[in-house]
Amino acid sequence: DIQMTQSPSTLSASVGDRVTITCRASQSISYWLAWYQQKPGKAPKLLIYKASSLESGVPSRFSGSGSGTEFTLTISSLQPDDFATYYCQQYNSHPLTFGGGTKVEI
Amino acid sequence: EVQLVESGGDLVQPGGSLRLSCAASGFTFGIFWMNWVRQAPGKGLEWVASIEQGGSEIHYVDSVKGRFTISRDNAKNSLYLQMYSLRAEDTAVYYCARSGGRGYVNYWGQGTLVTVSS
Repeated sequence: DIQMTQSPSTLSASVGDRVTITCRASQSISYWLAWYQQKPGKAPKLLIYKASSLESGVPSRFSGSGSGTEFTLTISSLQPDDFATYYCQQYNSHPLTFGGGTKVEI
Repeated sequence: EVQLVESGGDLVQPGGSLRLSCAASGFTFGIFWMNWVRQAPGKGLEWVASIEQGGSEIHYVDSVKGRFTISRDNAKNSLYLQMYSLRAEDTAVYYCARSGGRGYVNYWGQGTLVTVSS
């Protein structure tokens, strides 16, 4: 199984900050990686797929990069609505696996 | 508008069974892979099972193999998860989820809570 490791697990930031979250895969997954945002009590929301493709309707301050085993999600200027937990997910092979999550807090 | 509405979550004793359902609308159900993803209280996301469009290709996470069965009825636009031999560690919110492509999820239901406890 492919293990996904996110860092950091918690991130303290302020409105306007540039934020970067890292996701590492235990083996190469090419660019088969997605990023999700989840707020308390809500279902996750897709932000990025295929490592760097922005889902329709997602603000352009979100961007993804990477390939192989190292990936990043960047929020260029953190907004109040962005305080949430973020998950990466590999879909190179089954079983599909998620990272442990990164909580972005004030 | 794409909608996924789960039902069937409940409190069940260890060793018990439960069947979750997901009613899909707003898209052509039969042409998409479908998934169940769960989230234990205060924990992260865990993919549980996937089923291809016709139902012939199915995958499970190891921890539910032999206990859970994913199925679909394309005529009824519905996805199911039959769960047997439930354990305390199966306690979670279960999300019905539609794949957008190869294996990521672009639509999620609101979730249904399964609690396994005596």
